[in-house]
Amino acid sequence: DTAVSQTPKYLVTQMGNDKSIKCEQNLGHDTMYWYKQDSKKFLKIMFSYNNKELIINETVPNRFSPKSPDKAHLNLHINSLELGDSAVYFCASSQGRFGAYEQYFGPGTRLTVT
Amino acid sequence: GDSVTQMEGPVTLSEEAFLTINCTYTATGYPSLFWYVQYPGEGLQLLLKATKADDKGSNKGFEATYRKETTSFHLEKGSVQVSDSAVYFCALVDPRDDKIIFGKGTRLHILP
Repeated sequence: DTAVSQTPKYLVTQMGNDKSIKCEQNLGHDTMYWYKQDSKKFLKIMFSYNNKELIINETVPNRFSPKSPDKAHLNLHINSLELGDSAVYFCASSQGRFGAYEQYFGPGTRLTVT
Repeated sequence: GDSVTQMEGPVTLSEEAFLTINCTYTATGYPSLFWYVQYPGEGLQLLLKATKADDKGSNKGFEATYRKETTSFHLEKGSVQVSDSAVYFCALVDPRDDKIIFGKGTRLHILP
C-alpha cells in the first residue's frame, strides 16, 4: 500500500490555466505539507497543515491555495499558471509537527507550464 | 535566519570507496538535524537524524554526528555501493518555529 500518494504524476499545461494536484496519506498522520523542488533540486516548503489547520504558509504567491478536506488529504490548487511554476511538487506527511518527526514524501508531481 | 550549507555536487566515487558529504548549519536555537535521500524519480526518504549535540544517527551503513562546536552534521559511509547513487539532503528543524530548512542537495554517483 502506498503511504503518501499524489495525482497526477505528470502535468503539462499552458500558461494562464488553473490546475490542481491531489495528495492522500493512509498513515493516520496529523500533519501534511507541500514542497516545491526546482530544476536544481532545491527543495522549499510551501505549506503545512496540522489537523486540517494551516500552520505554515511560506512566501508563496496567492495563486497557490492549499485545501485540506480532511486529515488524510491535502490538495494544491494553482491559478493562472506561469512558466516559473514549472517544478516538481512533493506532498509529505508526519505524525506530528516537524520537531523530531520523520516526514514521509509522496513520489512527486512534475508540473510543466508551456 | 537559520540555514544549511552542503558541499556542491556531483560527487563521483568508485564502488567501495569511503564517502563524506559535508553539511554545516547556522541556527540560533538548538535544532534537530536530518539527512534525507532522494533516489531517481522518487520522493525523499529519511536516512538518519540526530536531535541533540553529540548524538550519532546511523542507518544502512551511513552515519552522521551532531557536532555543536563545529555546527556540522557530515554524512559518512565506509564503503559505498552503486545503489547509493542518489541526491542527499541535509536539513534542520528549529523547534522554536518548527520550520524545516533543507540544504541544496548533493548528487552522488557511484561507479561500478
